[in-house]
Amino acid sequence: EVQLVETGGGLIQPGGSLRLSCAASGFTVSSNYMTWVRQAPGKGPEWVSLIYSDGTTDYADSVKGRFTISRDNSKNTLYLQMNSLRAEDTAVYYCARGYCSGETCYVAWFGPWGQGTLVTVSS
Amino acid sequence: EIVLTQSPATLSLSPGERATLSCRASQSVSSYLAWYQQKPGQAPRLLIYDASNRATGVPARFSGSGSGTDFTLTISSLEPEDFAVYYCQQRSDWPPLTFGGGTKVEIK
Repeated sequence: EVQLVETGGGLIQPGGSLRLSCAASGFTVSSNYMTWVRQAPGKGPEWVSLIYSDGTTDYADSVKGRFTISRDNSKNTLYLQMNSLRAEDTAVYYCARGYCSGETCYVAWFGPWGQGTLVTVSS
Repeated sequence: EIVLTQSPATLSLSPGERATLSCRASQSVSSYLAWYQQKPGQAPRLLIYDASNRATGVPARFSGSGSGTDFTLTISSLEPEDFAVYYCQQRSDWPPLTFGGGTKVEIK
């Protein structure tokens, strides 16, 4: 069964750093497109970052230069390193895999998703 | 950045009724549009991709249509489990990938 489990969220002061983890099972992270999406309370989802199977990365402008997406192939885990955190980064952070239908995998349609981890940036 | 505008914000319907949700893009996204369902306390779930393709396991009562800038998600006959928030998302011109603001389908 394909499963994603995020950890690492919590309360952090503005300017602080946090690293989120997304442990995958049932598939290989390094062979798939993986993404982070966040959702502020009461708002719609916001795409944050994506890593391709070849290791290439993309970021939303709002996090570029502050957040870094990476993966550990030996642990089959995706990460999001978040630095210089701001109040507006407060959200539930989800990891998701690029959706696959048969032999075709899509870089920018997302499913399955993890359950999310809450990041609260506040003093 | 492509902006997706969803309407209405809230749709009040009864089980068994037909639901029609709209998503309008600020510029053409061809057929590169998806729909997600989100229930309280849960992650979004992919329903429709490439405007009209149902994702694996999605019931046939869900259908998507449209191209260019105007898209529709139709639920032919609402089941109790369909009351949720629905989001559209585009992958035509990115980064950034963008989502709409959502339509809440609530029980009348």
